[in-house]
Amino acid sequence: DAGITQSPRYKITETGRQVTLMCHQTWSHSYMFWYRQDLGHGLRLIYYSAAADITDKGEVPDGYVVSRSKTENFPLTLESATRSQTSVYFCASWTAPYNEQFFGPGTRLTVL
Amino acid sequence: AQKITQTQPGMFVQEKEAVTLDCTYDTSDQSYGLFWYKQPSSGEMIFLIYQGSYDEQNATEGRYSLNFQKARKSANLVISASQLGDSAMYFCAMRQLQGAQKLVFGQGTRLTINP
Repeated sequence: DAGITQSPRYKITETGRQVTLMCHQTWSHSYMFWYRQDLGHGLRLIYYSAAADITDKGEVPDGYVVSRSKTENFPLTLESATRSQTSVYFCASWTAPYNEQFFGPGTRLTVL
Repeated sequence: AQKITQTQPGMFVQEKEAVTLDCTYDTSDQSYGLFWYKQPSSGEMIFLIYQGSYDEQNATEGRYSLNFQKARKSANLVISASQLGDSAMYFCAMRQLQGAQKLVFGQGTRLTINP
């Protein structure tokens, strides 16, 4: 399918487990982003990537790891999940000349 | 640092009325973009409208318009002739036009359209 996809769409895990959220885009956009959405905070940037093998921290990076070995994939790993990481996670992509970022459908993660 | 403020947690409007959602921003950048996204109950993020800091005219997209007042640092969204399907969460966001291209979001406004 064309566009930006995220998997899984829903995930329940336990405190201390490692979890990886996947993001895949078919457009070859240069930039990719991970945001988390929590009540009262809107969306906050976790990590972003300007190109393959180039990543940088956003506003709330603690407890997360990213990699980008291929342009189309940008996985987000929670190395040891905590309850405070219960959230909805959105992946997004962007490239010029577009104005807007294009968002995936989101992954709802619950950490018990 | 960039900051977006949406002061209306919730709004209730009668169908067919116009509605204005407030957004103020703070930035030291000269070149930036302002966005509005809609998030219905299904959860996806839908892009509505964009305004560049150097655009002289207010952006319009169908029933959506962006009331851009640069000196006041405000970027209010106006929805004309509201419809039941407009009920959703609305987010204002800002992006630098140089560098990291990351979006900074406001906390959102939940809009409810009453029949």
